[in-house]
Amino acid sequence: EPEVTQTPSHQVTQMGQEVILRCVPISNHLYFYWYRQILGQKVEFLVSFYNNEISEKSEIFDDQFSVERPDGSNFTLKIRSTKLEDSAMYFCASRLLAGDSFFGPGTRLTVL
Amino acid sequence: GENVGLHLPTLSVQEGDNSIINCAYSNSASDYFIWYKQESGKGPQFIIDIRSNMDKRQGQRVTVLLNKTVKHLSLQIAATQPGDSAVYFCAESRASGTYKYIFGTGTRLKVLA
Repeated sequence: EPEVTQTPSHQVTQMGQEVILRCVPISNHLYFYWYRQILGQKVEFLVSFYNNEISEKSEIFDDQFSVERPDGSNFTLKIRSTKLEDSAMYFCASRLLAGDSFFGPGTRLTVL
Repeated sequence: GENVGLHLPTLSVQEGDNSIINCAYSNSASDYFIWYKQESGKGPQFIIDIRSNMDKRQGQRVTVLLNKTVKHLSLQIAATQPGDSAVYFCAESRASGTYKYIFGTGTRLKVLA
């Protein structure tokens, strides 16, 4: 069964450093998303991406965040200058057209 | 994903009993609803969905009920098994636009042997 994959599974970084979280969505899917989950809290929408552009972003997704689909398979989330409060699980998800989104296993980001 | 559960409501049920997990959603314009299961260290896993033109949908051992009048969603799990132990989230979405999901707080289900 096809699945969304994410790397790395755990990323530790120093405050102020840049991080890139990587995702490989399901190959024929058209919509791509990033969500995050701060420890003990609910999953929050960050951004959606369709047709090679951002289609919607939340207020969490400020200028420090960017997304890119550099080739036909990868979908990345970059945080330019990490803050302590960026520590969370980051989930990538993808969707074909209608119906449910498929989530990856997540990347745990720890900012020290 | 980790859910320490310090702020999560918890439902404890005996193995073999039925479980009912409830969720209130916020947006009356939402027309697509999904239940996800999240086990420790994993991403959300799809369980069942329902569109707003329905009030009940059944899957294998699971049933979702939708009450649009009071913006309430429930997940019923029949004959709960130890493998059902996880955190359960409801999510709402609009079947147009970006289909982003707005997740609920989550409920931790503990199955007692």
